[in-house]
Amino acid sequence: DAKTTQPTSMDCAEGRAANLPCNHSTISGNEYVYWYRQIHSQGPQYIIHGLKNNETNEMASLIITEDRKSSTLILPHATLRDTAVYYCIVSIQGAQKLVFGQGTRLTINP
Amino acid sequence: KAGVTQTPRYLIKTRGQQVTLSCSPISGHRSVSWYQQTPGQGLQFLFEYFSETQRNKGNFPGRFSGRQFSNSRSEMNVSTLELGDSALYLCASSWGAVVQGRLYGYTFGSGTRLTVV
Repeated sequence: DAKTTQPTSMDCAEGRAANLPCNHSTISGNEYVYWYRQIHSQGPQYIIHGLKNNETNEMASLIITEDRKSSTLILPHATLRDTAVYYCIVSIQGAQKLVFGQGTRLTINP
Repeated sequence: KAGVTQTPRYLIKTRGQQVTLSCSPISGHRSVSWYQQTPGQGLQFLFEYFSETQRNKGNFPGRFSGRQFSNSRSEMNVSTLELGDSALYLCASSWGAVVQGRLYGYTFGSGTRLTVV
């Protein structure tokens, strides 16, 4: 079973920041938080991952709470192309599989 | 660089037949894993191969099998197809090991959509 809880769906206006929450209250000390997204009819796409420090790359920012029991993925300026299902996954480094939950269906509205 | 290539993109088979799907990973990646995606069950892990060895296997019946070749390309096979095997089959590749102190994410292909009639 997935070790994360995410809202089923969210909406965001184009150009605004999209903040996607994820709860992972049972995360272990050696587990990372990974985010992937899946645009309709495509394979999942890696976005970002982190252990305990906040991370930023060209796609998004990842904010992890100090107790590591939850995190937020931030898409700073959402576009229509960001409409997708976003998956939050906790996993150790070197894990041989990803356990996907149901994810959050994010809809960006014009 | 080229991404993960899966062939064929679409496939229609009849119940009882068998099917073989192919996956070519990103050059240099030694790990290939397979996932099944259905509307009801979501994305489920099938198995993972690293350097031609199966390292991990999901909870699927023995009709689902796979292999990896020395060039890291992988195939998965489903025998005695059932209607419930209709799904999007996704392949993902990765380094399979920690590189420079970090394990980067998996890169997925676009999948093979299998329809069993």
